[in-house]
Amino acid sequence: NAGVTQTPKFRILKIGQSMTLQCTQDMNHNYMYWYRQDPGMGLKLIYYSVGAGITDKGEVPNGYNVSRSTTEDFPLRLELAAPSQTSVYFCASTRTSGSEQFFGPGTRLTVL
Amino acid sequence: DAKTTQPTSMDCAEGRAANLPCNHSTISGNEYVYWYRQIHSQGPQYIIHGLKNNETNEMASLIITEDRKSSTLILPHATLRDTAVYYCIVRVANNAGNMLTFGGGTRLMVKP
Repeated sequence: NAGVTQTPKFRILKIGQSMTLQCTQDMNHNYMYWYRQDPGMGLKLIYYSVGAGITDKGEVPNGYNVSRSTTEDFPLRLELAAPSQTSVYFCASTRTSGSEQFFGPGTRLTVL
Repeated sequence: DAKTTQPTSMDCAEGRAANLPCNHSTISGNEYVYWYRQIHSQGPQYIIHGLKNNETNEMASLIITEDRKSSTLILPHATLRDTAVYYCIVRVANNAGNMLTFGGGTRLMVKP
């Protein structure tokens, strides 16, 4: 199993540009999550999904959108990039509520 | 979810046991204690979790006090590769969103 994979690893965006961060898991997990981590800080939850077709907001959803059309994929969309969105983005998945979360390697995004 | 308090940083000699404390004095009866760690620039990694009994796995042991207001993560024989930020998280396991709230964590430095 590859686990949780994320692409791209790095990206630089200009203010106002848009992009999609990809996340895929091959463990057939129902639950998937997007976190962001600012320098020197802990992780904050952006959006989560408890299954295909179901998504919900986390702690810091403003400026982001998600979709969950399949069990495997959970892309994160930035429509109008802003410098405040410069961060490292982690995707995670888990089999059931309460079990361990598996994290991807992260996407380092810089908005200039 | 209950808040947690952890020391900002700790040192440990290689080969010795690392004992990482966590205070969670407002923990509720249905909240579990989870430990994750994050090695520099990588995604967080699950270590262990428990409700009220002590737990042990191949990575670590978790000791929870009888009143459940504090806990200690024990790495029995720390190695240089255990240098990381360790997060203690308290949450309800059957939370539909299964959200993890990451605070500041403890930066553990294992020294030769």
